[in-house]
Amino acid sequence: QPVLTQPPSVSGAPGQRVTISCTGSSSNIGAGYDVHWYQQLPGTAPKLLIYGNSNRPSGVPDRFSGSKSGTSASLAISGLQAEDEADYYCQSYDSSPSGWRVFGGGTKLTVL
Amino acid sequence: QLQLQESGPGLVKPSETLSLTCIVSGGSISSGSYYWGWVRQPPGKGLEWIGSIYYSGSTYYNPSLKSRVTISVDTSKNQFSLKLSSVTAADTAVFYCARHTSWLGGMDVWGQGTTVTVSS
Repeated sequence: QPVLTQPPSVSGAPGQRVTISCTGSSSNIGAGYDVHWYQQLPGTAPKLLIYGNSNRPSGVPDRFSGSKSGTSASLAISGLQAEDEADYYCQSYDSSPSGWRVFGGGTKLTVL
Repeated sequence: QLQLQESGPGLVKPSETLSLTCIVSGGSISSGSYYWGWVRQPPGKGLEWIGSIYYSGSTYYNPSLKSRVTISVDTSKNQFSLKLSSVTAADTAVFYCARHTSWLGGMDVWGQGTTVTVSS
């Protein structure tokens, strides 16, 4: 069971805005640890999409944005495009029991 | 630019030790504050962090795998390695090596991944 909880799937039509939630607890997101987001296109390695809760690496379109509040974080994708269809994972750090990097279970985004 | 490439056997027998190497090119494994990690993904499932290492040799492991995992670094060869002992079919996965920008930072460079199947 992943430490961070994500919805298994979300969907949206081209041009729409979708959000993906990532819910943690007081030992990870709620403790102030940063959340990172990854995009995994079919058959490829994950790609860093958002780091440090809301920062985009060079080359990532500003259609992708991240936020964090309390024990949760969110990834928003606006102006949805067919090429955005992929799996999305959140990742943070958990201090219990001895400190480790944790991933969410992943969310499959379908562009209708 | 920095590239990572996993290498190792694609088939391992149950109860044996899985060994993989990640070759770092286009940059030094000893530079900066980077950490070097392993992540796996069972077929049809999500990502799981296995562990990470700093170039000095300091290691950090997933508590659920700690008893079976060893990660080491060879700065002279600019590579780091993973050993997972006593494997079972549940360890069948795509294994990725990746760099993270600090201990708590995002994983910004990934290898293409290598599939390891545990089967007799």
